[in-house]
Amino acid sequence: GDSVTQMEGPVTLSEEAFLTINCTYTATGYPSLFWYVQYPGEGLQLLLKATKADDKGSNKGFEATYRKETTSFHLEKGSVQVSDSAVYFCALRRYGSSNTGKLIFGQGTTLQVKP
Amino acid sequence: NAGVTQTPKFQVLKTGQSMTLQCAQDMNHNSMYWYRQDPGMGLRLIYYSASEGTTDKGEVPNGYNVSRLNKREFSLRLESAAPSQTSVYFCASSENWGGQETQYFGPGTRLLVL
Repeated sequence: GDSVTQMEGPVTLSEEAFLTINCTYTATGYPSLFWYVQYPGEGLQLLLKATKADDKGSNKGFEATYRKETTSFHLEKGSVQVSDSAVYFCALRRYGSSNTGKLIFGQGTTLQVKP
Repeated sequence: NAGVTQTPKFQVLKTGQSMTLQCAQDMNHNSMYWYRQDPGMGLRLIYYSASEGTTDKGEVPNGYNVSRLNKREFSLRLESAAPSQTSVYFCASSENWGGQETQYFGPGTRLLVL
């Protein structure tokens, strides 16, 4: 079945460091890929998405590129801030079947940014 | 602009008790979802409602029931709570099922079953 695997956390960085959170997926067909962010005490918010191979999603300084050849969608940011401390979820949604509306989530990666 | 609201925020139950988690959205969305979030496992879909009047099982439906009361409201019921149902529950909605639409999430309900 479809699945998403993220790197283990927590990831602890100093402010202004470079961030990479790895995400790989297994799916048949051509899924859309998403990154959601969950700030402490809040629900999930869509951070960015990509709907086809080689698409780059970007938002708030975060970027991720849909790599079909490596089945990956790694999240990157050039300079993190304390306010980026949150849990980040990679997810996929597959189209073209009866399951088209369902999101499949990875286990989440906690990011802690220290001043 | 409330978006997706959930009540209660936190609940403690004893094994065997029942309760209903409430969810409402004010975005005129057709589709609504219930997820549970457990440590190290991400979010898993419990039930969803693709449109008003329909509900379907997700990945982990056992022990739960749902009701799509109207277009705005989608409730999740635990008839006989078990410790394995201790989790954080999220409701979400999207404009439609199966398209490119974003799912919008509520703030969650933290449930502890003793």
